Amino acid sequence: EAQVTQNPRYLITVTGKKLTVTCSQNMNHEYMSWYRQDPGLGLRQIYYSMNVEVTDKGDVPEGYKVSRKEKRNFPLILESPSPNQTSLYFCASRAGTGGLNTEAFFGQGTRLTVV
Amino acid sequence: AQKITQTQPGMFVQEKEAVTLDCTYDTSDPSYGLFWYKQPSSGEMIFLIYQGSYDQQNATEGRYSLNFQKARKSANLVISASQLGDSAMYFCAMRELLGGQNFVFGPGTRLSVLP
Repeated sequence: EAQVTQNPRYLITVTGKKLTVTCSQNMNHEYMSWYRQDPGLGLRQIYYSMNVEVTDKGDVPEGYKVSRKEKRNFPLILESPSPNQTSLYFCASRAGTGGLNTEAFFGQGTRLTVV
Repeated sequence: AQKITQTQPGMFVQEKEAVTLDCTYDTSDPSYGLFWYKQPSSGEMIFLIYQGSYDQQNATEGRYSLNFQKARKSANLVISASQLGDSAMYFCAMRELLGGQNFVFGPGTRLSVLP
């Protein structure tokens, strides 16, 4: 089954404690991205990757890091989380080729709370 | 400036009635795609419908149709014969060819279907 898997689904952590949210896809997609969802703001892109070892900042990259060492994995790293990073996070992937209607697959979401 | 505007934070509709969720967008790219996603309370993102900027006809998918008015830059979602299971957040999103095909999302509309 084609899917994007995020872990964990829920996470409560304390300010400053480094954490990683994993994202893995099984569709051999070139393009992967991370979003955060906040009330009244919709989903905003944090980082994206067009392929292995290629990453770019999205609209809200501050406080986040990513890596793309393998095609299937695109972890999101918060080196020193702060309460304003409390949010719902989504990973997504799609094929790098194809038109604008190329289907994007979203993970189940990770609800992060930083206290 | 907001690229995607959804002016209705919340909407109510009676079961079996039709409802229109508004979406306006802003782009200077002649090639773009417009998407609608549904997010039920469980949190996952469910793709509903796609409209390409060069598509001559309005997109339809079952009970969903997209009222595409290119000159007005609007892409409203019409849900016919609402069902209780349609209660969810609905996001309008755009991908621009020149913008690297990254998603830009609107703030969302929460639809509640009343029995």
